[in-house]
Amino acid sequence: SQQGEEDPQALSIQEGENATMNCSYKTSINNLQWYRQNSGRGLVHLILIRSNEREKHSGRLRVTLDTSKKSSSLLITASRAADTASYFCATDPSRNSGAGSYQLTFGKGTKLSVIP
Amino acid sequence: DAGVIQSPRHEVTEMGQEVTLRCKPISGHDYLFWYRQTMMRGLELLIYFNNNVPIDDSGMPEDRFSAKMPNASFSTLKIQPSEPRDSAVYFCASSQRQGWDQPQHFGDGTRLSIL
Repeated sequence: SQQGEEDPQALSIQEGENATMNCSYKTSINNLQWYRQNSGRGLVHLILIRSNEREKHSGRLRVTLDTSKKSSSLLITASRAADTASYFCATDPSRNSGAGSYQLTFGKGTKLSVIP
Repeated sequence: DAGVIQSPRHEVTEMGQEVTLRCKPISGHDYLFWYRQTMMRGLELLIYFNNNVPIDDSGMPEDRFSAKMPNASFSTLKIQPSEPRDSAVYFCASSQRQGWDQPQHFGDGTRLSIL
């Protein structure tokens, strides 16, 4: 079953605007990762936030994590046409580490379109 | 350093044929993952290896699917016989060492169409 679910499924904004995508998950986690996928390409790792962190920044990216609500958000500031892609959250349920399993479970993604 | 390399990029074949997908992970990475991506089900983990040994194959849909990793620089995913419902994009990914905080590095996938 899907651990992470992104919201919205699709988002269209003008270049220069901010884009916010949300991810909700069901079970406790060790960490949460965000990936980007350009059309016809593989996923690319963007940022990782650990379960004991609340916020993390990387360039124009800002990720927040609320473990009490089991949710995370990815904010892209001052968006560019090149940010057009699908964005996925991936979680590693904390039960995995005890079992020696290192699996990530991906959501179905948010498709972001940035209009020039 | 070269990324994860998958071949072929596209494969079109008829139902019942054997299909072999290939992957070369990033040198020095201990973990290798095979995923399948469809519109309906999203990205699903099929199987993963640690140091060439299969660790968890619970995501492999049927006995028609098999995966091997004969050495640290090569893995195959085989479907025999193939069916139209196997049509999807198949990704290989690798990560550097064990640990749930390691990012996975993906290849650009093989787009498989079974007619």
